[in-house]
Amino acid sequence: DAGVTQSPTHLIKTRGQQVTLRCSPKSGHDTVSWYQQALGQGPQFIFQYYEEEERQRGNFPDRFSGHQFPNYSSELNVNALLLGDSALYLCASSIGQGNSPLHFGNGTRLTVT
Amino acid sequence: GQQLNQSPQSMFIQEGEDVSMNCTSSSIFNTWLWYKQDPGEGPVLLIALYKAGELTSNGRLTAQFGITRKDSFLNISASIPSDVGIYFCAVIGGSNYKLTFGKGTLLTVNP
Repeated sequence: DAGVTQSPTHLIKTRGQQVTLRCSPKSGHDTVSWYQQALGQGPQFIFQYYEEEERQRGNFPDRFSGHQFPNYSSELNVNALLLGDSALYLCASSIGQGNSPLHFGNGTRLTVT
Repeated sequence: GQQLNQSPQSMFIQEGEDVSMNCTSSSIFNTWLWYKQDPGEGPVLLIALYKAGELTSNGRLTAQFGITRKDSFLNISASIPSDVGIYFCAVIGGSNYKLTFGKGTLLTVNP
């Protein structure tokens, strides 16, 4: 039973570029959330997708967008990259919109130069 | 916004010692969670607390949900080298499902 899988594991981009990160939820999970974790900090909530719609959003600019597909997998897109976007991007999956525990992937390490 | 104060920031202990860390908030939360993150990996849920005053154990780990619903602590007994990592507290806020995390406690265990 595969857990949450994310790709790629590492990525290096230049300022101003765009990036797409991918996530496949744990089997049986239908809700995907994305978090940004800067070095030395706890993860910060970006947004959550359920039934292919963005349901909740944290305090992140519109440069951060996402998508959920019918198979529940998800993408995180970041446009016009800034140096400050360098971080570990974590995907977490869960069941429905209640308080079912989040299961995290191992993240994508994004470096913006 | 919501903020969790987690302490200590880091701990360096000897194998076999007990460890305690805690998390406080100025706001009331109905669910407190404790996660552990190993290097290069995502956070893994250790214990979830859903009821004020609740004391829950998971092996050598014990966590309590404060009666005021504004704090929680995590104890690790008889620490071993594989306990090394960053421990995060987190809360689920109100009707929003999103988690708010503390800044973490870095635990180092000296064999």
